[in-house]
Amino acid sequence: DQQVKQNSPSLSVQEGRISILNCDYTNSMFDYFLWYKKYPAEGPTFLISISSIKDKNEDGRFTVFLNKSAKHLSLHIVPSQPGDSAVYFCAASWGLGNNDMRFGAGTRLTVKP
Amino acid sequence: KAGVTQTPRYLIKTRGQQVTLSCSPISGHRSVSWYQQTPGQGLQFLFEYFSETQRNKGNFPGRFSGRQFSNSRSEMNVSTLELGDSALYLCASSLAPRTSGGLGNEQFFGPGTRLTVL
Repeated sequence: DQQVKQNSPSLSVQEGRISILNCDYTNSMFDYFLWYKKYPAEGPTFLISISSIKDKNEDGRFTVFLNKSAKHLSLHIVPSQPGDSAVYFCAASWGLGNNDMRFGAGTRLTVKP
Repeated sequence: KAGVTQTPRYLIKTRGQQVTLSCSPISGHRSVSWYQQTPGQGLQFLFEYFSETQRNKGNFPGRFSGRQFSNSRSEMNVSTLELGDSALYLCASSLAPRTSGGLGNEQFFGPGTRLTVL
């Protein structure tokens, strides 16, 4: 039961350009969304989050957009840097007192110098 | 502040054996969650502990169990290992489960334990 989907397994962009990573979800109960970045041999690292009461959250070069009607969120990285090359996971959770997160399969981002 | 630590980092077992993995959360964090990561299924939630009590459980068989100690350290146990249990097991800690609408307690992950079942 894949409630969170990242349909692009990989993405390649040029340094300095924008990276857009997409995520779709099916469970309308989800009310909190997160993006994690993962390097090889390390655990995922929290990047940015957004609650369902917002449609945009920005933190430096990273912006997450949420479209609840479309059940879609995206992560924008501007400008992209080679150090951003990693696997990015989208995650969603619901309900108070609940740390159960559902993850997408991940998108491998490669930023070319 | 030290991050989440997991031991051991690598483990090789054979089918039918059992295994215990350990997780030490960030100091002050009382919530610990466990995830299984496999190439085919991605990251899947196993269970969450808070104040020594299991709060949530994912869709895994009873062979997967866990516990949390009074110092918030957690262990997970897998009995009667199967080949399909080969995976990266990740532990994540947070201050507490989500407590207010719209806000969450971000989870910080450890490096994981790579379990190989032969």
